[in-house]
Amino acid sequence: QQQVKQSPQSLIVQKGGISIINCAYENTAFDYFPWYQQFPGKGPALLIAIRPDVSEKKEGRFTISFNKSAKQFSLHIMDSQPGDSATYFCAAGSSGSARQLTFGSGTQLTVLP
Amino acid sequence: GAGVSQTPSNKVTEKGKYVELRCDPISGHTALYWYRQSLGQGPEFLIYFQGTGAADDSGLPNDRFFAVRPEGSVSTLKIQRTERGDSAVYLCASSPGSGRKNTEAFFGQGTRLTVV
Repeated sequence: QQQVKQSPQSLIVQKGGISIINCAYENTAFDYFPWYQQFPGKGPALLIAIRPDVSEKKEGRFTISFNKSAKQFSLHIMDSQPGDSATYFCAAGSSGSARQLTFGSGTQLTVLP
Repeated sequence: GAGVSQTPSNKVTEKGKYVELRCDPISGHTALYWYRQSLGQGPEFLIYFQGTGAADDSGLPNDRFFAVRPEGSVSTLKIQRTERGDSAVYLCASSPGSGRKNTEAFFGQGTRLTVV
């Protein structure tokens, strides 16, 4: 019930390409879906987040697509750059009493120059 | 400070010893979270504070783990009788706790705990 499933586990993309990472959740109480970027030895950094009242949110090269009926959401990185090489985590949370985030298992993205 | 600060950044301890990990949240953030991240995994929730009280400690793995936040700001995660399986990166995060962005959580750099 609390799981967030993330795929793929690893992704290799050429510079300038589109990186796509997918997540699925089960708990319908989730109403907040952030994506975090993590570099080795660093803590996760909030990248972009969406709430279920919209189906898409775009910030610069990063876009979240959200499908409430399918309980799925995805991160698209347009014009991927070598500096985007990092581990990406999707997460889900609730603005209700249980505020903690449930994280996916992560996707290691490598953008080749 | 500008971000969430965690000390120490690295801690090596012997099996059976007691350790304390400290977290300084973003100023004004009322919500504070502890997570544990094992190698190659996503962070796993341990405990959530709203103000001084533990609003949810359901993620603490056993009674060797305890956390406090006595004045509603700095928090300390305490681990008794450490075991090798406790080795992980312990992450602290804080969020505003109220308002439209109440769940936007910002993480510290973590404390890497190694139990030998």
